[in-house]
Amino acid sequence: DIQMTQSPSSLSASVGDRVTITCRASQSISSYLNWYQQKPGKAPNLLIYAASSLQSGVPSRFSGSGSGTDFTLTISSLQPEDFATFFCQQSYNTPRTFGQGTKVEIK
Amino acid sequence: QVQLVQSGAEVKKPGASVKVSCKASGYTFTSYYIHWVRQAPGQGLEWMGIINPSGGSTSYTQKLQGRVTMTRDTSTGTVYMELSNLRSDDTAVYYCARDGGGMMPFDYWGQGTLVTVSS
Repeated sequence: DIQMTQSPSSLSASVGDRVTITCRASQSISSYLNWYQQKPGKAPNLLIYAASSLQSGVPSRFSGSGSGTDFTLTISSLQPEDFATFFCQQSYNTPRTFGQGTKVEIK
Repeated sequence: QVQLVQSGAEVKKPGASVKVSCKASGYTFTSYYIHWVRQAPGQGLEWMGIINPSGGSTSYTQKLQGRVTMTRDTSTGTVYMELSNLRSDDTAVYYCARDGGGMMPFDYWGQGTLVTVSS
């Protein structure tokens, strides 16, 4: 199975901050990397797919980059509604493994 | 619009079984695979398995082999996930999610079903 490792596991940031979350795969997954946002009590919501493609309806302050084994999710200017947990996921093969999550909290 | 609507919360005793349903609407049911993912309280997302609603073929995570069964009913557009011999560490929210196709992400998710295993 492909292991996905996210860092950091949590971070504190202020509204307006630039936030970066990284995800590393245990083997090359080309660009088959997705990012989801999850708020408490809700299902995950797709933000970014294929490493850098923005899902329809997702604000442009979210962006993704990377290929191979190293990937990044960036929030250019953190908004109050962005405080949540973010997960990466590989869709290169089955099982479709997830990172352990990064919780973004208010500073 | 695409919707995946899951059945309600369940409370089960250790050793029992649970069957969670996921009713799809707003798209051609047999055209998209469905995955099941679970999330224990305060934990991350764990992939459980996948079903092809067209032919019914399945693939499960090694961890749950022998205890999980995924089925579908094409007449109602519903996918089912049954987990047997429940243990306390099976307590989790169970989600169904639509596979966008090929190597695409999970583009639509059900609302989640809380399964609590307690004596």
